[in-house]
Amino acid sequence: GAGVSQTPSNKVTEKGKYVELRCDPISGHTALYWYRQSLGQGPEFLIYFQGTGAADDSGLPNDRFFAVRPEGSVSTLKIQRTERGDSAVYLCASSFDPTSGVQYFGPGTRLTVL
Amino acid sequence: EDKVVQSPLSLVVHEGDTVTLNCSYEVTNFRSLLWYKQEKKAPTFLFMLTSSGIEKKSGRLSSILDKKELFSILNITATQTGDSAIYLCANTNTGNQFYFGTGTSLTVIP
Repeated sequence: GAGVSQTPSNKVTEKGKYVELRCDPISGHTALYWYRQSLGQGPEFLIYFQGTGAADDSGLPNDRFFAVRPEGSVSTLKIQRTERGDSAVYLCASSFDPTSGVQYFGPGTRLTVL
Repeated sequence: EDKVVQSPLSLVVHEGDTVTLNCSYEVTNFRSLLWYKQEKKAPTFLFMLTSSGIEKKSGRLSSILDKKELFSILNITATQTGDSAIYLCANTNTGNQFYFGTGTSLTVIP
């Protein structure tokens, strides 16, 4: 079966531009998480969806970051007015049962802001 | 503040050696502790631990949790070059939040 997929795999943009990163979770997984991972660091939690709603968005660093999951499946992470400090690998993970603690990660999108 | 601390940050061993990776944590409303292996981009799940003192084992890997002292260890015996990766420890709480440590980078030399 298909795992979690993310597109694009790499994104290079210029400072100040808008970017969208897409995550396609495993079919049937109701929970979806976005993380940001900088070099030498562990994944940093950004936002968690349960179904269509954001159950916890406390990890979003500021109001330039926004995420949606309109139909409870695919999710898009949106970053406005990108800054060089936004450069990182953005990981998405999905889970059938978030109370189980088990997540399945996608390959990530490497975002580079020049 | 909830946090996870892993040690050592990096480790270089020879094939056949046994390694122990450490994870200590502070988390409110603890639910579980998880170990992941990250070779390139996507971390892959290894273990989930919820109870103290019960060893989880998969092949040459094993892990145990101590909820009183708030730590976990991941053991890898008879290491192989394919074990080279970053090993991540994470906690979850009852709010389904995940907190990851910075990871231990393991390099196994032939």
